[in-house]
Order: sequence, then C-alpha cells, then structure tokens
Amino acid sequence: GENVEQHPSTLSVQEGDSAVIKCTYSDSASNYFPWYKQELGKGPQLIIDIRSNVGEKKDQRIAVTLNKTAKHFSLHITETQPEDSAVYFCAASGNDYKLSFGAGTTVTVRA
Amino acid sequence: NAGVMQNPRHLVRRRGQEARLRCSPMKGHSHVYWYRQLPEEGLKFMVYLQKENIIDESGMPKERFSAEFPKEGPSILRIQQVVRGDSAAYFCASSPGGLHSPLHFGNGTRLTVT
Repeated sequence: GENVEQHPSTLSVQEGDSAVIKCTYSDSASNYFPWYKQELGKGPQLIIDIRSNVGEKKDQRIAVTLNKTAKHFSLHITETQPEDSAVYFCAASGNDYKLSFGAGTTVTVRA
Repeated sequence: NAGVMQNPRHLVRRRGQEARLRCSPMKGHSHVYWYRQLPEEGLKFMVYLQKENIIDESGMPKERFSAEFPKEGPSILRIQQVVRGDSAAYFCASSPGGLHSPLHFGNGTRLTVT
C-alpha cells in the first residue's frame, strides 16, 4: 500500500515568516495529493489539493508543489498568521477512494 | 450548519462493552468514509460505504468491527467487546462521490476504553 512520510513533525515560525512542510510518497500510481488542517478538537479541513497533471497550485497565502519524478510534494504558507497554528496533514491516493495520510506537522506561529 | 455531524463527541466504555459511533453526512452526500486517528499519528482508512453498500473495508479489523450506512439514517461504526487499544479518535468523512471528490470531515468521536 501507499506510504506517506511527512517532515518536520513540528515547526515553529515567527509571524510573517514562511512555513514549508514536505511529504514523500511511495506509490508511483498516486495521482491526488490533498492537504488538511486540523485545529484542536476538530476534524481535518481540506485547505488545498493538487493532481498529478499539475506541478504547482496556489490559493492566496497557500501553495503546493508536486514533483512526480522524485515522488514528493510540499506545502508553503507565506506571511504566516497566528490563526495558521494547527496540525497539517498531507495525503495521497491513486485510482481508489482511500487516502493515505502523513503523520502530521504541528505548526506554531509565534506572535 | 450542514456539515458532517458525528455523535457522541466523547464516548467512554469499559473493556468488553460495545461502542456505537454515528455519522450523518453532509446534505447531498451519499459516500461515507471512516478513519481512525491515534495520538501523534495521521488518520488511517478503515471503511468506505455508500448507501446500503460497503465498498471497501480493507482498513477495518476483521473481528469486532463493523460498519453500515442504511437507506435511512446515519452511518454507524460498531465496535464490539472493546479493548484498550481501540481508544482513539474516529473520524467520519463524506463526499458527493466521484474519484478524488474532496472529503468533508466531522469533528470526530473520541473513544476511551477504561
């Protein structure tokens, strides 16, 4: 099955700085890569996703890049704000309905 | 709020008891997924259901666990004879269907087995 590795496990950034989270996947058949944000006591919320036919996607302060050859994808958050503090999960899936999640990155934005 | 509704939010069971977790999908969604989250870990797929059908249960333990999504009413995840290792957060997600449709998650049920 698919194995998704996520780094770092914790990330502390100064407000206004950028945050970058990296994930690698093992199954070359994976073609869908969503990112989820989970706040304390809540369920994960989709923040952005990218499909294998696209190398980069941006939505305001959030961007995701995908390198299919190297089998890795990254989340970039620019101009971080305190409300960006949360746990972020990457995930991958292929031609089925199952998402394989990374172990998560706890992001803390220092004011 | 027309989001995915899960109840109860917290559930405490003694070893050997049964746990029933409920999930009402978003309005218009007919596809339901259950995931389990252990502390400090990501979510692990358990089962994928459509109305009255189990599509993929490859992530669900063969014994003690079952899931259903009846024609009427919420989806139910049932754990019989719970053990301490079943303690986790269980999340339900729904989608309107179609491969790679975005999943909308509920806020989870936190099961504690004492």
